[in-house]
Amino acid sequence: KAGVTQTPRYLIKTRGQQVTLSCSPISGHRSVSWYQQTPGQGLQFLFEYFSETQRNKGNFPGRFSGRQFSNSRSEMNVSTLELGDSALYLCASSLNKKNEQFFGPGTRLTVL
Amino acid sequence: DQQVKQNSPSLSVQEGRISILNCDYTNSMFDYFLWYKKYPAEGPTFLISISSIKDKNEDGRFTVFLNKSAKHLSLHIVPSQPGDSAVYFCAASAMKTSYDKVIFGPGTSLSVIP
Repeated sequence: KAGVTQTPRYLIKTRGQQVTLSCSPISGHRSVSWYQQTPGQGLQFLFEYFSETQRNKGNFPGRFSGRQFSNSRSEMNVSTLELGDSALYLCASSLNKKNEQFFGPGTRLTVL
Repeated sequence: DQQVKQNSPSLSVQEGRISILNCDYTNSMFDYFLWYKKYPAEGPTFLISISSIKDKNEDGRFTVFLNKSAKHLSLHIVPSQPGDSAVYFCAASAMKTSYDKVIFGPGTSLSVIP
């Protein structure tokens, strides 16, 4: 079956703009998590959605938000972009919260 | 405050030898641990996991050891192959509680030299 897909794969924005990233989980997976990866910081947890509800949230400012749709697809939004938001944003899906996560290829966001 | 630490940013190993990647954690509530491998331009892929009720889990060339008293786990790859060259992330979660988000370490870049 198809893996986790993320769109777009690459994105260039300028400071102050906003961006929306999309993630389609593996069919049947209801949990979707978002991570930010920067050099030396590993994967920083942003938030997790399960059945359209946000269950967990990491330590990120309110400029970072997300949502999940009834088909389990998820979007994350970053408003008022800052240079430090440049990172690889990874989406991961799992069958339920106790299963290993399957990651998408990520969206590489560059803020100029 | 990093709850999951991987103190070696990089590691080089000769092909055929053993690779040992280390991971330390601080949260005693963590009871489930995972290792992920990541190639450039790809998302991490799950490698192996271990529950806190075990101290060892083996899958082919990969073995994970858990020392709960030391809050330390390690991933052994034997024998190492050039295709194992990647970034390895250690991750932990508290599966028994409602607080079960997965915390990742910063990663260790492994280079296997032919």
